Amino acid sequence: EVQLLESGGNLVRPGGSLRLSCEASGFTFRTYTMNWVRQPPGKGLEWVSSITNTATTTFYADSVKGRFTISRDNSKATVSLQMNGLRTEDTAVYYCTKGAQFGDWGQGTPVIVSS
Amino acid sequence: DVVMTQSPLILPVTLGQSASISCTSSQSLVFSDGNIYLNWFQQRPGQSPRRLIYKVSNRDSGVPDRFSGSGSGTDFTLKITRVEPEDVGVYYCMQGSHKYTFGQGTRLEIK
Repeated sequence: EVQLLESGGNLVRPGGSLRLSCEASGFTFRTYTMNWVRQPPGKGLEWVSSITNTATTTFYADSVKGRFTISRDNSKATVSLQMNGLRTEDTAVYYCTKGAQFGDWGQGTPVIVSS
Repeated sequence: DVVMTQSPLILPVTLGQSASISCTSSQSLVFSDGNIYLNWFQQRPGQSPRRLIYKVSNRDSGVPDRFSGSGSGTDFTLKITRVEPEDVGVYYCMQGSHKYTFGQGTRLEIK
């Protein structure tokens, strides 16, 4: 059974930093692209970032480019999202998803950016 | 960037009846490999999203055959037949041919 367990969400001040992690199990992690998707309170889904299976290529939404960095550790089956320069509009539940077409989702971790 | 437009945004449906959600992309979703990466997701209240349909018309494992996807080019449809109470939630289309973009979501409710 595929499991994706996000962690690291917290309350942070504008301009601050946070690192999210996603621990994966139940599949061959090293063969899949992994992604982060976010959902602001009461709103829709927004793709944030993706990383290919060997970490050769990373992609970012324009809204986070230059502030967020995605990375992965295939030996530990984890994918991370380093978030710097956080803004109030980054407030959202952040989901980790598996595969290039988002076939499986974690339960999400909440990030609140507020002074 | 590709814009995905869903309609309607709110969909009241009588139990046992059918429902259709439309999704239109601002440009062709045919990828360089010839595939169309158009997916549908369901988000029940208080839950994470789950994928129902991938590559236009392929149902994910465990998805009832009441759900079906169709379309080509820039126009796509999710159809739900014999709507049940468990179908209540928000449905999103998402294109994965040119990076990724979600539609605004369609809220299905029971009349």
